[in-house]
Amino acid sequence: NAGVTQTPKFQVLKTGQSMTLQCAQDMNHEYMSWYRQDPGMGLRLIHYSVGAGITDQGEVPNGYNVSRSTTEDFPLRLLSAAPSQTSVYFCASRGRENQPQHFGDGTRLSIL
Amino acid sequence: GEDVEQSLFLSVREGDSSVINCTYTDSSSTYLYWYKQEPGAGLQLLTYIFSNMDMKQDQRLTVLLNKKDKHLSLRIADTQTGDSAIYFCAESFSGYSTLTFGKGTMLLVSP
Repeated sequence: NAGVTQTPKFQVLKTGQSMTLQCAQDMNHEYMSWYRQDPGMGLRLIHYSVGAGITDQGEVPNGYNVSRSTTEDFPLRLLSAAPSQTSVYFCASRGRENQPQHFGDGTRLSIL
Repeated sequence: GEDVEQSLFLSVREGDSSVINCTYTDSSSTYLYWYKQEPGAGLQLLTYIFSNMDMKQDQRLTVLLNKKDKHLSLRIADTQTGDSAIYFCAESFSGYSTLTFGKGTMLLVSP
């Protein structure tokens, strides 16, 4: 019962480096999304996808890219990491409209 | 506009009831959710309520929805130390895929 799997769990980067946060789900969910969680800010939506080949921006998309080539995977790319992107990143997925979203365990990212 | 507000902190004693409150501003919300986050972990869905309901009960959890005041509450009966966590209220809208979260309420349960 894997659900939503995020890798890596922890990562430290230097400013300017690039990296991809991986997210995979095995529930055949159409909808997937990325959030970042910062102290006192709750969760803010970065990007989301309503199906393979379709992505859209959320509340805080700047500095992040996404793609959705398969239903299962929704990677999040940081092209040039900045200290302001230090955060905990959560991936989520859901099935039909308004069904609850299922969250991964998060990736804790520090940028020095 | 979309805005979900919660009080930041609640402290109770083990065995007492806890009530966590949430207000939302968008009257077109379709579903309202409660998620629990333990330290270092992801978000766990606790319960959710459709906006045409007033109340939902699930074991120790009771959700009350006051649509007139746009107020949602989560009551935890017989609160245990294992209930200590951050609780997030979230709303979604018919026809849209996204969730809007509150900033979370930290519940501390003391023995």
